[in-house]
Amino acid sequence: EIVMTQSPATLSVSPGERATLSCRASQSVSSNLAWYQQKPGQAPRLLIYGASSRATGIPARFSGSGSGTEFTLTISSLESEDFAFYYCQQYNNWPPWTFGQGTKVEIK
Amino acid sequence: EVQLVESGGGLVQPGGSLRLSCAASGFPFNSYSMNWVRQAPGKGLEWVSYISSSSSTIYYADSVRGRFTISRDNAKNSLYLQMNSLRAEDTAMYYCARKLLHYNWFDPWGQGTLVTVSS
Repeated sequence: EIVMTQSPATLSVSPGERATLSCRASQSVSSNLAWYQQKPGQAPRLLIYGASSRATGIPARFSGSGSGTEFTLTISSLESEDFAFYYCQQYNNWPPWTFGQGTKVEIK
Repeated sequence: EVQLVESGGGLVQPGGSLRLSCAASGFPFNSYSMNWVRQAPGKGLEWVSYISSSSSTIYYADSVRGRFTISRDNAKNSLYLQMNSLRAEDTAMYYCARKLLHYNWFDPWGQGTLVTVSS
């Protein structure tokens, strides 16, 4: 089973600032990585697939990069609606599909 | 509009059973594989089970294998999760999620149904 590790657990950022979230895989997942956003009381929403492709309707301020075992989600200029939890997911070796433990982006 | 709506959650005693449902609309349900994913209170996401479009392929997480059964009724556009021998650690929000036709990520997800296992 591939273990996904996200850092940091919590990221405190001011509105308008840049946020950089990391995700590491225990073995190579190529570019088979997705990012999801989850707001309190809501279901996860797909942001990024293929490590760097934005899902339909996702603003350009969200970008993904990386391959192999190291991945990054960048939010270029945080808006109020971006404060949420973010999860990475590998879909290179399944089952099981595995998720990182999440990063909380909170208002500084 | 693609929509997934879960139901069937509730409070159940340890050792009890519960059947979750997920009603799909807005897409050809019989062409898509489906999944159940859960999230314990204050915790991260855990994949639970997968079923292919024709029900020919089914997978389970080790934590639920032998206790949970996934199924679907394509005529009713519905996905199910039969949960038996429930434990306190099964307490979670349960989401159904569609897997894209030729891709392996999940989109969209339903709003979830809460299962609480407690005496």
